[in-house]
Amino acid sequence: GAVVSQHPSWVICKSGTSVKIECRSLDFQATTMFWYRQFPKQSLMLMATSNEGSKATYEQGVEKDKFLINHASLTLSTLTVTSAHPEDSSFYICSAVPGLDEQYFGPGTRLTVT
Amino acid sequence: GESVGLHLPTLSVQEGDNSIINCAYSNSASDYFIWYKQESGKGPQFIIDIRSNMDKRQGQRVTVLLNKTVKHLSLQIAATQPGDSAVYFCAETFTGGGNKLTFGTGTQLKVEL
Repeated sequence: GAVVSQHPSWVICKSGTSVKIECRSLDFQATTMFWYRQFPKQSLMLMATSNEGSKATYEQGVEKDKFLINHASLTLSTLTVTSAHPEDSSFYICSAVPGLDEQYFGPGTRLTVT
Repeated sequence: GESVGLHLPTLSVQEGDNSIINCAYSNSASDYFIWYKQESGKGPQFIIDIRSNMDKRQGQRVTVLLNKTVKHLSLQIAATQPGDSAVYFCAETFTGGGNKLTFGTGTQLKVEL
């Protein structure tokens, strides 16, 4: 139980285009999902908190107009990287919270912008 | 605290030895701590957690120790196996923090045969 999936697992896009990443909780409902970014050899950095039915809360320094988050249902949150540039290339990871403290992570999405 | 730096600390151990991975956390208000294992190209995997009202918790082959006085956390892995090779992160959060986790810098564990 408590499985979180991400799609796609990897994506290559051209500079200036947008790409959407999906995060799904497969066997539980999650009112809260989180989006993280991880550069090579570095730790996970929280980008934003996604709440079902409301606007996402972004961490300081994260551009909300560039990283669009939509939490359309209790099992799905999407992250859209708009007008992607090579510096946006990273490993994007989501997590979902089914209850009080537990947080389950997705397998990550590798984004490469050429 | 914020994770900085381009190089992960590395711990190399022989198969069968015990491993100890350390973590210093930053927020004295943190009251819930988790250790995660991350294999290359994958998301973090929960290993063990501990709340601030405890100083030790044991799982299967793993033990977490918490020293709130010096804001230090450690993960002990007994009889380390090749499958334990991964990057290990500690994470902290606090009650009322909305489940937001702050991750440590991570340690690369390499198990040598």
